[in-house]
Amino acid sequence: DIVLTQSPLSLPVTPGEPASISCRSSQSLLHSNGYNYLEWYLQKPGQSPQLLIFLVSNRASGVPDRFNGSGSGTDFTLKISRVEAEDVGVYYCMQGLQSPSFGPGTKLEIK
Amino acid sequence: QVQVQESGPGLVRPSETLSLTCTVSGGSISSGSHYWGWIRQPPGKGLEWIGSIFYTGNSYHNPSLKSRVTVSVDTSKNQFSLRLKSVTAADTGIYYCARMGYDIWTANPNTMDVWGQGTTVTVSS
Repeated sequence: DIVLTQSPLSLPVTPGEPASISCRSSQSLLHSNGYNYLEWYLQKPGQSPQLLIFLVSNRASGVPDRFNGSGSGTDFTLKISRVEAEDVGVYYCMQGLQSPSFGPGTKLEIK
Repeated sequence: QVQVQESGPGLVRPSETLSLTCTVSGGSISSGSHYWGWIRQPPGKGLEWIGSIFYTGNSYHNPSLKSRVTVSVDTSKNQFSLRLKSVTAADTGIYYCARMGYDIWTANPNTMDVWGQGTTVTVSS
């Protein structure tokens, strides 16, 4: 089974400042087709999760361009260029190379 | 646009079977381009994928739950369902249904791009 870890687990950020979340996998998420099967989801308070990014760096429809994903193999990063108040919530990475599994989540809060 | 909505009992007795249904609207479950899945979230905790199904009935399940999980589809009603047997308090949580992508290279369901609002299930006597 593929296990995902995230850091930090809690992330206080000042509005307008950047933020970065790391996701590490116990196994490489790189398929022989050249794609890394890593996705990012955001669960805002009291809401269902929503897809942010798929295949490491592809933003889902309607996701602002301040959200950017990067990485390959076992190390991945989600960066928010300038945090806004609406970005608060829990961010989960998820791997789709094998049976889907999620990281523990990173709670982003506004300072 | 496609929407999904969970329904089912909010209270299940220990050792009994949890049964939930997800109704798809705004599109056909038989479109052939997506899987349909269940994800759960224990109180105050993270997300766990339970299982997914294609309109043909082909399904995948979380290995940790596989022996207790059945996911089925009813194309005539545009619905899919979850049955989780022999429940315990550890099965308490919010259960979400979602539309999922399917990757031909990995042969796995993955990207969850449409989510329901979730339904809370409590396992208690």
